[in-house]
Amino acid sequence: EAGVTQFPSHSVIEKGQTVTLRCDPISGHDNLYWYRRVMGKEIKFLLHFVKESKQDESGMPNNRFLAERTGGTYSTLKVQPAELEDSGVYFCASSQASAHNEQFFGPGTRLTVL
Amino acid sequence: SQKIEQNSEALNIQEGKTATLTCNYTNYSPAYLQWYRQDPGRGPVFLLLIRENEKEKRKERLKVTFDTTLKQSLFHITASQPADSATYLCALASSGGSYIPTFGRGTSLIVHP
Repeated sequence: EAGVTQFPSHSVIEKGQTVTLRCDPISGHDNLYWYRRVMGKEIKFLLHFVKESKQDESGMPNNRFLAERTGGTYSTLKVQPAELEDSGVYFCASSQASAHNEQFFGPGTRLTVL
Repeated sequence: SQKIEQNSEALNIQEGKTATLTCNYTNYSPAYLQWYRQDPGRGPVFLLLIRENEKEKRKERLKVTFDTTLKQSLFHITASQPADSATYLCALASSGGSYIPTFGRGTSLIVHP
């Protein structure tokens, strides 16, 4: 069974540009989560989808970040315009049930904003 | 404010010994606590979950304890192997919330042959 996949693995952009990250969860997982790890800090929650609906987006840093999950399958996270402080590793995870089941993480997308 | 603390210094041990990692927390009412393993360039991998009403959980060479009075979890790897070298993250999910885990920064474990 394929795990969670993320694309691209690395992205280097200039401040002010737009970047779109993609996450493909494990097939059949209704729950999809985005996290971010800024260098030297802990992994922090960004938002949670149940199917195509945003269940919790309390961790989104500001309105430059837009996440979508059309059709309840893959998800995209767009940063527009990117700022220097957006650099970090963006992880996606999926799970079968939201409460206590384990989350399966993707390998992450390393975003560098210059 | 809520805090999860894991030792930032790497733990170096000899192969065959037991590795013990600590996770302390403050200002949480955790419903459960999880331990993850993370290798360089990869995402975290779930290892174990222990609920607030459980004292201990085991899985193969892994053992987790959870003391809600001390606000501490210990993670043990017995008969450690060089392949166990990785960063280990603890994560808490609070009751009364959406059960989204909050992560500590992790502790690096290095097992020497």
